[in-house]
Amino acid sequence: GAGVSQSPRYKVAKRGQDVALRCDPISGHVSLFWYQQALGQGPEFLTYFQNEAQLDKSGLPSDRFFAERPEGSVSTLKIQRTQQEDSAVYLCASSLNRGLHQPQHFGDGTRLSIL
Amino acid sequence: LAKTTQPISMDSYEGQEVNITCSHNNIATNDYITWYQQFPSQGPRFIIQGYKTKVTNEVASLFIPADRKSSTLSLPRVSLSDTAVYYCLVANSSNTGKLIFGQGTTLQVKP
Repeated sequence: GAGVSQSPRYKVAKRGQDVALRCDPISGHVSLFWYQQALGQGPEFLTYFQNEAQLDKSGLPSDRFFAERPEGSVSTLKIQRTQQEDSAVYLCASSLNRGLHQPQHFGDGTRLSIL
Repeated sequence: LAKTTQPISMDSYEGQEVNITCSHNNIATNDYITWYQQFPSQGPRFIIQGYKTKVTNEVASLFIPADRKSSTLSLPRVSLSDTAVYYCLVANSSNTGKLIFGQGTTLQVKP
């Protein structure tokens, strides 16, 4: 069945470059989440959308990180002027209904490596 | 949102029952408890969710005592394929606040 799809699966960029990571949530899912996961750590919350509205972006580490979901479906996480500490797996998740407690369906992530 | 505490790692053998306990002393009245499983190179996968008492599905059971300050995920008769990281998450139905996964519990199932 159609799950959450993330692309690219792997991304290598040079320090200072901008990158864009894409998330295709499950069709009809209202809520969308982005997480950053460092090696050996649990996912860390970045931001949360309900339809096209970004309700919480408190987890974004700096103003170099920007997320959007303009039509309430596909979402893009953009990182400007990448730095080595941005290297991590970026996970996207969606849930059918509103609320942080709703069970989330995760994609397999984009592994970002900054050289 | 309530912070959770879990053991960093656990070992078990095939066929045994495994119980992983999560502490969430500051859980609020409208918080739910959710468990996820994560394999290497994959995103977390929802296992089970509960509010109070006991919840059971085809893969696990979740036990929540009356004070709700802890919860226990029970995996019956584990197999090698249950080797994974297990995360306990506490969250309510609001739309704000960070979701905290913590480090999770790495379960190693041995033959």
